[in-house]
Amino acid sequence: NAGVMQNPRHLVRRRGQEARLRCSPMKGHSHVYWYRQLPEEGLKFMVYLQKENIIDESGMPKERFSAEFPKEGPSILRIQQVVRGDSAAYFCASSRPETSTDTQYFGPGTRLTVL
Amino acid sequence: ILNVEQSPQSLHVQEGDSTNFTCSFPSSNFYALHWYRWETAKSPEALFVMTLNGDEKKKGRISATLNTKEGYSYLYIKGSQPEDSATYLCAYGSSNTGKLIFGQGTTLQVKP
Repeated sequence: NAGVMQNPRHLVRRRGQEARLRCSPMKGHSHVYWYRQLPEEGLKFMVYLQKENIIDESGMPKERFSAEFPKEGPSILRIQQVVRGDSAAYFCASSRPETSTDTQYFGPGTRLTVL
Repeated sequence: ILNVEQSPQSLHVQEGDSTNFTCSFPSSNFYALHWYRWETAKSPEALFVMTLNGDEKKKGRISATLNTKEGYSYLYIKGSQPEDSATYLCAYGSSNTGKLIFGQGTTLQVKP
């Protein structure tokens, strides 16, 4: 049973470009969470999605960031017009269709560098 | 603002020593407390999910306790080994939405 997959593992973008980060949850998992780790900081919640629904986006910056989890295919975190402050490690986690008492399994992360 | 605090920030022990760390979290609106082990360049690895006051969980030489009334959890490692070297994260869930609030972690270094 493959774990949570994220790609790319490393992404370099110039200021103003778009970044697309992909996350494929574990088999049988229909809940996806995105977290961000800024340099010298801990993991911070961004968004929680179920298939075709955003459940909680209270941690998402109001502008330039969006997330989706379509019926088919991976979850996508999209950052438009990237700025240097977006440089961070972005982690995706998935869980079974349970509550916050269920384990969230993490992917290896995507390290975004904005030049 | 919900804060999760972990102490100490870092810890150096000798192989064979037993050690423990603390995670403090808000005692109100508690739903779950998660512990993760995170090695450099790897994914955070789930250790425990704890939900009930007084819960105790064990996995090999690692165990954890939970006190939801006073808002703390302890993680214990018995007979530390060099392969236990990692950052140990706790995360607090305050609702049924799955959102976790992470502490900054305790980084453990075990010297052979």
